[in-house]
Amino acid sequence: EAQVTQNPRYLITVTGKKLTVTCSQNMNHEYMSWYRQDPGLGLRQIYYSMNVEVTDKGDVPEGYKVSRKEKRNFPLILESPSPNQTSLYFCASSLWDKGANEQYFGPGTRLTVT
Amino acid sequence: AQSVTQPDIHITVSEGASLELRCNYSYGATPYLFWYVQSPGQGLQLLLKYFSGDTLVQGIKGFEAEFKRSQSSFNLRKPSVHWSDAAEYFCAVADENTGFQKLVFGTGTRLLVSP
Repeated sequence: EAQVTQNPRYLITVTGKKLTVTCSQNMNHEYMSWYRQDPGLGLRQIYYSMNVEVTDKGDVPEGYKVSRKEKRNFPLILESPSPNQTSLYFCASSLWDKGANEQYFGPGTRLTVT
Repeated sequence: AQSVTQPDIHITVSEGASLELRCNYSYGATPYLFWYVQSPGQGLQLLLKYFSGDTLVQGIKGFEAEFKRSQSSFNLRKPSVHWSDAAEYFCAVADENTGFQKLVFGTGTRLLVSP
């Protein structure tokens, strides 16, 4: 089954404790990205990657890091989480070619930073 | 830069009644437009998309949307709402500055279905 998986689905942590949210897709998609969803703001892109070893900032990258060492995986790293990073996070993937493509979303990771 | 406006934060519809969710976009050329649905505790599922061609687009679960360039709109419709349609709905446009890969989302409309 074609899917995007994220782990963990729920996470409660404390300020400053480094964490990683994993994302994996099995569709051989080149493009992957991370969004955060906050009430009244919709979804905003954090980082994206067009292929292995190619990443770039989205609209709200501060406080986050990413890496793309393998095509299927795109982890999101919070080196020193803060309460304003409490949010619902989605990973997405799509083919990369000319024009827009359907993006497939993971189930989401609800992060609470206290 | 492209943007999307969903003017209704909440909408309540009686089960069996028709539904229209509004979406307005800003973009000079022909946009790539999407509607996604997010059920409680779930990820986002694509309902339908418009890239070009016929301005009336059919999607899954009985939804359709009409692209109207003159009004910069892409409203989502369903003739008869079911209780299972209660969810949050997001309109999105593909961002030209990223080769149309990044989605710019509206703030969402939460649909409540009353018995």
